[in-house]
Amino acid sequence: GQQVQQSPASLVLQEGENAELQCNFSTSLNSMQWFYQRPGGSLVSLFYNPSGTKHSGRLTSTTVIKERRSSLHISSSQTTDSGTYLCAFITGNTGKLIFGLGTTLQVQP
Amino acid sequence: DPKIIQKPKYLVAVTGSEKILICEQYLGHNAMYWYRQSAKKPLEFMFSYSYQKLMDNQTASSRFQPQSSKKNHLDLQITALKPDDSATYFCASSQEGGNNQAPLFGEGTRLSVL
Repeated sequence: GQQVQQSPASLVLQEGENAELQCNFSTSLNSMQWFYQRPGGSLVSLFYNPSGTKHSGRLTSTTVIKERRSSLHISSSQTTDSGTYLCAFITGNTGKLIFGLGTTLQVQP
Repeated sequence: DPKIIQKPKYLVAVTGSEKILICEQYLGHNAMYWYRQSAKKPLEFMFSYSYQKLMDNQTASSRFQPQSSKKNHLDLQITALKPDDSATYFCASSQEGGNNQAPLFGEGTRLSVL
C-alpha cells in the first residue's frame, strides 16, 4: 500500500478561505518535505521539516515525527495557490524521497 | 534563472527508439537524482548519484541508464522505449546525498511514447 497518505485528495475553496492539508506516513521517518506542483508540472519546495512548526508567509507546516504526520495550513487562500501539494519523506541515507499522491487545490475567485 | 536545467522540455518518441534526457545543475551540488511521474501515480524515485557514483537504483529495467559525464551532469538514457514509459521525468539535486538534505527539482521533461 501507499507509504504516504495525503488528504483530502482534492479541495475547492473560495478566495480568502483557509485550507488544512494532511499527510500521514506508514513508516518511521527522520524528516519530510512539502512541495507545491504548479499546474504546468514544475515542483517548488515549500518546507523541509524534520519536526515542529515552520512558517513561510501564509503557509504553516507542522510535523510530529513520532506520530508520523504532517499538516500544511494555507491561510487566506488566493487563486494563485491553485495546484497540487505534495508531501514526501526522506528514507535511507541516499536522499531518496517517497511521495504521496498529493492534494489538488482549486481556489476560485 | 533556473539552476537545474532539463532538456528538452517536451519529447515525443516512437516505440522502440532511444532517447537521452539531459540534466545539468549549477548549484555546486554533489548529489543528483532522477524521478518519474506517471499519470495517477506518485512521483517515483529512480536513481541517486553522489560524487558521480551510483548510490541507489530503484528502477527494475536496465533500459534506463543514468550517465554522469561531469560532476554537475546526470543524463538519463532510455532505450527500447515503450508507451508505458510516457511520463514526466524530473531531475533533482542536493548539496550531499543523505536524509538531512532537501533536494531541489528541475522543471521536468515530459516524454510521450507513441
